[in-house]
Amino acid sequence: DSGVTQTPKHLITATGQRVTLRCSPRSGDLSVYWYQQSLDQGLQFLIQYYNGEERAKGNILERFSAQQFPDLHSELNLSSLELGDSALYFCASSVDGRGHIQYFGAGTRLSVL
Amino acid sequence: QQQVKQSPQSLIVQKGGISIINCAYENTAFDYFPWYQQFPGKGPALLIAIRPDVSEKKEGRFTISFNKSAKQFSLHIMDSQPGDSATYFCAASIDNAGNMLTFGGGTRLMVKP
Repeated sequence: DSGVTQTPKHLITATGQRVTLRCSPRSGDLSVYWYQQSLDQGLQFLIQYYNGEERAKGNILERFSAQQFPDLHSELNLSSLELGDSALYFCASSVDGRGHIQYFGAGTRLSVL
Repeated sequence: QQQVKQSPQSLIVQKGGISIINCAYENTAFDYFPWYQQFPGKGPALLIAIRPDVSEKKEGRFTISFNKSAKQFSLHIMDSQPGDSATYFCAASIDNAGNMLTFGGGTRLMVKP
């Protein structure tokens, strides 16, 4: 168990809908990363937050947004969902923004039908 | 742009054999190179990591070899066991740029008994 908790484990929704994925980092970790894992794109970095502030952005679509709350948990919001958004979404956390050891959660599997 | 290329995509090894997975990177600013192991239904877990100031790092049966001039690094799994059957990802990051991980495409390893 990595200590990173992601909910829900599975999410099934329809095109055009909006969903929220939740991540609780390991106790003491200030930095949260979101990654998307799909068959065609592999594991791709989406966005990073450090102590409540956005730190870095990767290949994140404009339809996607995230935030980190004062209690350090993070949420990834996906809107206007398309079939191609179906993927595994992972959250990782690290002690600080240098992030060398990132601990991954078990992921949320999103299916857009 | 795929900044980290990984090969092979899949690998079958007999129990007791050596598994070798190779990665090549393009961005010379990368300064941290971890390997992650992922079992089905789980998130990636850090296996071993190396910095470019050393050419080799060994932890138990796992060894990273690093060739800075060739911009290549590889994972060797000695005495491979059926329990090593998993997907392995190489990755790279930059210390002062958020440390988001850029992953290779992954190698699915199967160790036959």
